[in-house]
Amino acid sequence: DAKTTQPTSMDCAEGRAANLPCNHSTISGNEYVYWYRQIHSQGPQYIIHGLKNNETNEMASLIITEDRKSSTLILPHATLRDTAVYYCIVRVGSGGSNYKLTFGKGTLLTVNP
Amino acid sequence: DTGVSQNPRHKITKRGQNVTFRCDPISEHNRLYWYRQTLGQGPEFLTYFQNEAQLEKSRLLSDRFSAERPKGSFSTLEIQRTEQGDSAMYLCASSWYGLAGSNEQFFGPGTRLTVL
Repeated sequence: DAKTTQPTSMDCAEGRAANLPCNHSTISGNEYVYWYRQIHSQGPQYIIHGLKNNETNEMASLIITEDRKSSTLILPHATLRDTAVYYCIVRVGSGGSNYKLTFGKGTLLTVNP
Repeated sequence: DTGVSQNPRHKITKRGQNVTFRCDPISEHNRLYWYRQTLGQGPEFLTYFQNEAQLEKSRLLSDRFSAERPKGSFSTLEIQRTEQGDSAMYLCASSWYGLAGSNEQFFGPGTRLTVL
């Protein structure tokens, strides 16, 4: 699976949009971008994933650049409960090694009141 | 609650003792995964099952570790002769795998192991 690079930490004001970047310059054509987050002392939680097109769900939006070498997770109105470590993961969608998730250290997002 | 559950949530043991953790996946999920997470690091893959078959084991899974999923439902992870380096959070996840590939993994709350 391709390697990802994320900032170690970020801060965001409550109510503002949180934009979390991720670089994945070696991504292959059949690899998806997944985002998970982990709130302190809990297991990771799936947020969103995408291949090429931008995606949106009730939790967040995922913007993938046209060359697919980077992406941004957007939390449109961050709340204190969004304080967590956010992991950007790249993996194949089916077959191959898609059975496992390879986590890096992620980005610690702190939402401030 | 229909999520992934893990028991116990916390376990403190002395070096050299054996410990066993249990994971109950989401009932319709056919894949079950074990991960380990040490302080300040992301989770690391250990092993996974499809139904009752253990299909992959990481090199992190030494001979002291064994995992089972006897009836394709719950799973157990046993660590024999625990060492202080085994202290970590052990996470279980489950997913549905079908012809269209794998769906996202849902994680349990984890079992925190402390080896004294």
